[in-house]
Amino acid sequence: DQQVKQNSPSLSVQEGRISILNCDYTNSMFDYFLWYKKYPAEGPTFLISISSIKDKNEDGRFTVFLNKSAKHLSLHIVPSQPGDSAVYFCAASAEAAGNKLTFGGGTRVLVKP
Amino acid sequence: DVKVTQSSRYLVKRTGEKVFLECVQDMDHENMFWYRQDPGLGLRLIYFSYDVKMKEKGDIPEGYSVSREKKERFSLILESASTNQTSMYLCASSPATGTAIYNEQFFGPGTRLTVL
Repeated sequence: DQQVKQNSPSLSVQEGRISILNCDYTNSMFDYFLWYKKYPAEGPTFLISISSIKDKNEDGRFTVFLNKSAKHLSLHIVPSQPGDSAVYFCAASAEAAGNKLTFGGGTRVLVKP
Repeated sequence: DVKVTQSSRYLVKRTGEKVFLECVQDMDHENMFWYRQDPGLGLRLIYFSYDVKMKEKGDIPEGYSVSREKKERFSLILESASTNQTSMYLCASSPATGTAIYNEQFFGPGTRLTVL
C-alpha cells in the first residue's frame, strides 16, 4: 500500500498562472517532506523541503504547505514558467527509519506558453 | 559540485543475463541508494547502504543484489534479468543520518534498462 500518494498524474497550466501539486500521506511517523523535480532522461533534483514542525516553507517561486492533521502537503509554483514543465515527486522520511525516502507516484506538469 | 554518475545511460539485455549497474559518487557520502522508477509508481527503493560492505533491503529487493566494496561505489546486480525488470534505475547518495541535510538525496542521471 502506497504511504505517499499523488492523486493527480498530470496537470496543465498556463504560463504565469499558479500550479498547485498535491500529496497525501498515511504514515504519521513521517517528519520531513521533500519535493523533487525530474526532467526526462535526467535524475530527480531536490526542489524544496519542509519539516513537520512547520506549516509553510517558501523559496522564490516555490512554496510548500503542510497540513499535518490532514496528512496533506502541497507545492505551489507562482508564476509558472515553461521551464517548470517536468515530473514532480513528493517524498517523505521518518527519523526512526533513518534516511529512507518514500516517494509518491509523481505529477507531470505541463506549462503552456 | 555534487556529482553522482551511473555507468550507462541505456542498456539492452536478454532474459537470463546477469546485469551490473554501477554508481559512483564523489561527495564522500556515507549513504547510497538504488531505486527503480516506473510510470505511476514513482521511485521505489530496491536496496540501500549506510556504510562500506553494509547493505539493507528496501521495498522491492526481490531479483536484485548489491555490492559496496568502496565508499564511493554502489553496484546493483540483476542475477538473472527478466522482462519485468525493464525500468529506469536511479542511484542516489546522501550524507550520514544526523547531519543538517541528511534527508536530501542526490541522484544520478539514471540507466534505462530494457530486458528482451
